[in-house]
Amino acid sequence: NAGVTQTPKFQVLKTGQSMTLQCAQDMNHEYMSWYRQDPGMGLRLIHYSVGAGITDQGEVPNGYNVSRSTTEDFPLRLLSAAPSQTSVYFCASSYSGAVPNYEQYFGPGTRLTVT
Amino acid sequence: AQSVTQLDSQVPVFEEAPVELRCNYSSSVSVYLFWYVQYPNQGLQLLLKYLSGSTLVKGINGFEAEFNKSQTSFHLRKPSVHISDTAEYFCAVTLKGSNYKLTFGKGTLLTVNP
Repeated sequence: NAGVTQTPKFQVLKTGQSMTLQCAQDMNHEYMSWYRQDPGMGLRLIHYSVGAGITDQGEVPNGYNVSRSTTEDFPLRLLSAAPSQTSVYFCASSYSGAVPNYEQYFGPGTRLTVT
Repeated sequence: AQSVTQLDSQVPVFEEAPVELRCNYSSSVSVYLFWYVQYPNQGLQLLLKYLSGSTLVKGINGFEAEFNKSQTSFHLRKPSVHISDTAEYFCAVTLKGSNYKLTFGKGTLLTVNP
């Protein structure tokens, strides 16, 4: 298993540009989520999904969109990038079946800089 | 809403010394508790978790944590640290039945010096 994969690893955007951060998992996990990590702030939840076709907002959703058309993929879209969105973005997934273990598996992250 | 406080942002220790990283949480309902580790330029990896049962939880790499409900704490300990334990450590909480949403503390940078 590749686990949770994220692309790209690094990205530089200009203010106002849009882009999609890709996240995929091959563990057949129902639950997927996106976090951003900023120095001294820990990780904050942006959006999450409990299954294909179901998404919901987390703590800091403004400026981001998500969709979940398949179990495997959970892309994060930045509609109009702003310098405040400069951060490291992590995707995570978790098994939420009959006997969940509540462990979240994290991808390697995408480092985004908005100039 | 739940919250997590990691009481130390940085903890420097010498190799082979014991270490304790402190974590307190607040919640009005039952929670599950976790410690994750992040090595430089990597994603997060689960160290250990408390779901139920024994309040002393053992994890990977010789770490353990104790759930104290009355103190609302979940401190992480290791009796003897190695240089390779240098990393950032995050305490996290999720409410039982909350769709797995994790609330993280701000992290503790553990630096192990020779």
